[in-house]
Amino acid sequence: QSALTQPASVSGSPGQSITISCTGTSSDVGSYNLVSWYQQHPGKAPKLMIYEGIKRPSGVSDRFSGSKSGETASLTISGLQAEDEADYYCCSYAGSSTLVFGGGTKLTVL
Amino acid sequence: EVQLVESGGGLVQPGGSLRLSCAASGFTFSSYWMSWLRQAPGKGLEWVANINQPATEKFYVDSVKGRFTISRDNTKNSLSLQMNSLRAEDTALYYCARAPLFYFDSWGQGTLVTVSS
Repeated sequence: QSALTQPASVSGSPGQSITISCTGTSSDVGSYNLVSWYQQHPGKAPKLMIYEGIKRPSGVSDRFSGSKSGETASLTISGLQAEDEADYYCCSYAGSSTLVFGGGTKLTVL
Repeated sequence: EVQLVESGGGLVQPGGSLRLSCAASGFTFSSYWMSWLRQAPGKGLEWVANINQPATEKFYVDSVKGRFTISRDNTKNSLSLQMNSLRAEDTALYYCARAPLFYFDSWGQGTLVTVSS
C-alpha cells in the first residue's frame, strides 16, 4: 500500500493546458483501469473529477480529461481558469478491495 | 441530493477510543459500498476502510487493521467507524464517502479527530 507518486506542484497561465502525472506500480495503476482524480479547494471536501481512468461525472467540465499509459495515469486540464487552482489527488484500486492515493499536486494558475 | 454528515470527532488521549458516525440521505444507502477516508492536517488524502452493501466484506488500510472497525446499519442509513488504540498519527479530518466502484463520488464535510495528551 505505497502511495502513488505525483508532482508536488504544477502551474500554468489562464487558457493554457497542464497535465498532472500519477505514477504507480504493476500492482495498482498498471493493472487496473480504476484510477480516479479529485479536486480539493482549501477547507473543502474533495470533489470527484475523473473515474475509471477516463470518465467524467455529470457536471464536471469537459476541460478535464484522464488517460493512462502503463503505470502512469494523467489528468489534463485544458483552457485553465482561475477557479481550477486547487489541490489534485489521484487514487487507484490496488487489489483486494483496497485503494491508494497519490500525495497530491498543488495547481497554481498564474 | 446526496448528503453525508459525519459526527463523533473530538479530542482523545493516545490509547483511547472514539466512534464516528455518518448519516446518509438522498440515495438508496443499502445499494452502495461505503468508505471512510482521512486527511491529516496539511497532508494528503488516505483511504481508511471500505464496507460492502450487506456488510459482509470489510477492508482496511494496513495502518489501522486490528484497531478500527467499519460497520453500517442499512435500516438507519448510517455508517460507523469504531476506532480503538488511537495514536497521534491517527489525528486527521475523517470523511465518509459513497463508493460506487472503487472511487468516491460523494463526500461529507468531515469530522476532526485529534489524538493528544
